Amino acid sequence: DSGVTQTPKHLITATGQRVTLRCSPRSGDLSVYWYQQSLDQGLQFLIQYYNGEERAKGNILERFSAQQFPDLHSELNLSSLELGDSALYFCASSLVGGSYEQYFGPGTRLTVT
Amino acid sequence: GEDVEQSLFLSVREGDSSVINCTYTDSSSTYLYWYKQEPGAGLQLLTYIFSNMDMKQDQRLTVLLNKKDKHLSLRIADTQTGDSAIYFCAESMGDTGRRALTFGSGTRLQVQP
Repeated sequence: DSGVTQTPKHLITATGQRVTLRCSPRSGDLSVYWYQQSLDQGLQFLIQYYNGEERAKGNILERFSAQQFPDLHSELNLSSLELGDSALYFCASSLVGGSYEQYFGPGTRLTVT
Repeated sequence: GEDVEQSLFLSVREGDSSVINCTYTDSSSTYLYWYKQEPGAGLQLLTYIFSNMDMKQDQRLTVLLNKKDKHLSLRIADTQTGDSAIYFCAESMGDTGRRALTFGSGTRLQVQP
């Protein structure tokens, strides 16, 4: 158990809908990263937050957004969902933004039908 | 550019050593990582190596880094059936505070009894 929690574990929704994925980092970690794992694209970095502020952006679609709250948990919002958004979404956390150890949560499996 | 490559599959017999290889292209990589993913699970950080090191050993795991050839390997000694999983190589770049990971496509290790 990495100490990073993600909810829900599974999510099934229809095209065009909006969902919110939630992540709680390890106790004491200030930085949260979101990654997407799909068969087509592999594991891709989406976005990073550090202590409530956006720190880096990767291959995140405009339909997707994220935020990190004062209690350091983070949410990833996916809207206008398409079939191709079906994937595993992972959250990872690290102590500070530059830390060399990132610990991953168990992931949320999103299925868009 | 950022590109991490791995072979897709490796099969070994229980008790043998496994060697999983990875090549990366970005010479500015600061840390290189190995993660393990078991079916239906998240990513487990196995070990990492700083780019100014050549080797790191951690129990059954040995990481070798050849900076000149941009080649990273993970050796698992006395491989067990519980080691069957997908192994991902990853590199981190970016300045302090922005350490998103770039992953390879993963190597599926199958351990035969």
